[in-house]
Amino acid sequence: AQSVTQPDIHITVSEGASLELRCNYSYGATPYLFWYVQSPGQGLQLLLKYFSGDTLVQGIKGFEAEFKRSQSSFNLRKPSVHWSDAAEYFCAVGAMGSYIPTFGRGTSLIVHP
Amino acid sequence: NAGVTQTPKFQVLKTGQSMTLQCAQDMNHEYMSWYRQDPGMGLRLIHYSVGAGITDQGEVPNGYNVSRSTTEDFPLRLLSAAPSQTSVYFCASKSFTYEQYFGPGTRLTVT
Repeated sequence: AQSVTQPDIHITVSEGASLELRCNYSYGATPYLFWYVQSPGQGLQLLLKYFSGDTLVQGIKGFEAEFKRSQSSFNLRKPSVHWSDAAEYFCAVGAMGSYIPTFGRGTSLIVHP
Repeated sequence: NAGVTQTPKFQVLKTGQSMTLQCAQDMNHEYMSWYRQDPGMGLRLIHYSVGAGITDQGEVPNGYNVSRSTTEDFPLRLLSAAPSQTSVYFCASKSFTYEQYFGPGTRLTVT
């Protein structure tokens, strides 16, 4: 069975600083990996996804993530955080042929001015 | 496209009452699902459907029923509401490329 761990419950950064949110997964084969963002009072929106190929994937809003098979990780990064990036971020893992993705518990990003 | 829509946005129920949360999508997705979101618990899967007439249980199905008579609609029924069902409920549909599209959520309070 697949699983996802987001080790950080909260992350606080200053506006303009760089950001890295951690995601570790457990799955026997090559997974499908996703990052979603949830702004306060909203549903989840897909930021980016990895299926295969280039291990560095670009997403919306200036985010990117890197798949590292050796570390079973899919960390989300942004070079310069904006106050509007304050939100909850969820990592998810899926598998080919499986209808059920597994979500991490989320990381809450707080941005200080 | 409206994407995934949910109604109502907010609901307050008394213990023992029943209600149906509505979910509809206009993307012709076969897979749809219901999640509940509670503080510190992330998203937990309640029920899902892989097509009209086919549903299955997720991680936390007790107290909830679903049916899928059309591709577009996937309602979630609370049979006898309990305070433990106070939560935010999200409906989602999944494309053939595995990414999920979420509705805006229904915030339910059971008193």
